Amino acid sequence: AQKVTQAQTEISVVEKEDVTLDCVYETRDTTYYLFWYKQPPSGELVFLIRRNSFDEQNEISGRYSWNFQKSTSSFNFTITASQVVDSAVYFCALSLGTYKYIFGTGTRLKVLA
Amino acid sequence: KAGVTQTPRYLIKTRGQQVTLSCSPISGHRSVSWYQQTPGQGLQFLFEYFSETQRNKGNFPGRFSGRQFSNSRSEMNVSTLELGDSALYLCASSLAGVETQYFGPGTRLLVL
Repeated sequence: AQKVTQAQTEISVVEKEDVTLDCVYETRDTTYYLFWYKQPPSGELVFLIRRNSFDEQNEISGRYSWNFQKSTSSFNFTITASQVVDSAVYFCALSLGTYKYIFGTGTRLKVLA
Repeated sequence: KAGVTQTPRYLIKTRGQQVTLSCSPISGHRSVSWYQQTPGQGLQFLFEYFSETQRNKGNFPGRFSGRQFSNSRSEMNVSTLELGDSALYLCASSLAGVETQYFGPGTRLLVL
């Protein structure tokens, strides 16, 4: 079965703190894609990053970084020096190339000023 | 490049009515997917269309249907609305379905 688990329902941090959002996935397929999306209060899902199963290189984009580890089936997302504008719900998703995404339940991040 | 657009943005219907939601994908994208988002069930896949053909379908009753037109625009229809159909309906487009999906702003449906 394919599944994405985001165990953290809600996280609150104070501005400028670092925060890591966890994502654990399950699949027996060897080819798959992992994604992170951000959903601000407006509701639109904003694409952040995509990783395929053959690329375990970590990635950094500004204050955002992603750690993909196939050995633990995890694809974690870290925000460094968080800002109030980072407050949103973050979703991790898995795609097996079957034209649908399997989403985790999301982690609500609250960054307090 | 314009993003994915969805109309209408908000809808209020009563039980038993039917509703049609529209989605226009990013220019050049031929795959359109639909998702339902509710507080209790999260993001659930409804169906995906490519070149006017449905290629995958989620576990939703037959009251939920969709179609895609030759210009890749897509519509979804929900007949005999139930209170539980109140949700945010999100449309996403991609080039061919397996790449990154880009989402529209959603249609918020409230069923009274």
